[in-house]
Amino acid sequence: QKEVEQNSGPLSVPEGAIASLNCTYSDRVSQSFFWYRQYSGKSPELIMSIYSNGDKEDGRFTAQLNKASQYVSLLIRDSQPSDSATYLCAGEDRSNDYKLSFGAGTTVTVRA
Amino acid sequence: GAGVSQSPSNKVTEKGKDVELRCDPISGHTALYWYRQRLGQGLEFLIYFQGNSAPDKSGLPSDRFSAERTGESVSTLTIQRTQQEDSAVYLCASSLRYNEQFFGPGTRLTVL
Repeated sequence: QKEVEQNSGPLSVPEGAIASLNCTYSDRVSQSFFWYRQYSGKSPELIMSIYSNGDKEDGRFTAQLNKASQYVSLLIRDSQPSDSATYLCAGEDRSNDYKLSFGAGTTVTVRA
Repeated sequence: GAGVSQSPSNKVTEKGKDVELRCDPISGHTALYWYRQRLGQGLEFLIYFQGNSAPDKSGLPSDRFSAERTGESVSTLTIQRTQQEDSAVYLCASSLRYNEQFFGPGTRLTVL
């Protein structure tokens, strides 16, 4: 199993809907997680960090961490065309000096 | 600006030439990372610096790749005798705490 795995997508949602992105992680990954947004041709941008079990909300974004089930998710409410991007999940790899292990990314397209 | 900066933004070179890519991290960030991203692919870890030392060079693809960091600040990634498969975007990131990595805009390298 890869350290961090994401549902591969692509994910297409209508404008105004909720986009749900999921990521699972192995036992090697510690429980600090990060969501990055990467627009086409641009570099990744940190949008959410989550360190403890439960939900963390920031504007239209909610990150959810479930340690028991070893998954982390990102919900985008009221999706806008400007949310169309690739979203990368990352977690700290305990067996690798706590460097970030990145998922392959999920491409989201919001249809106007 | 307060973000990570990289130069050049674009580099076109001929096969067999050497190239140097530069990264200026966010001031005060002790950790610095280099990644490679080929077109349409995920992030590939290259090397990590903590201060001026590089505890992990495991991601460097070959001995043609080297990197250094001085003054706990600027880092350069050098690719010798470039090959066409080296064509990619090279991303630098820095972090201060909890592994929240902030990425620079990247250098797009094209080897003809």
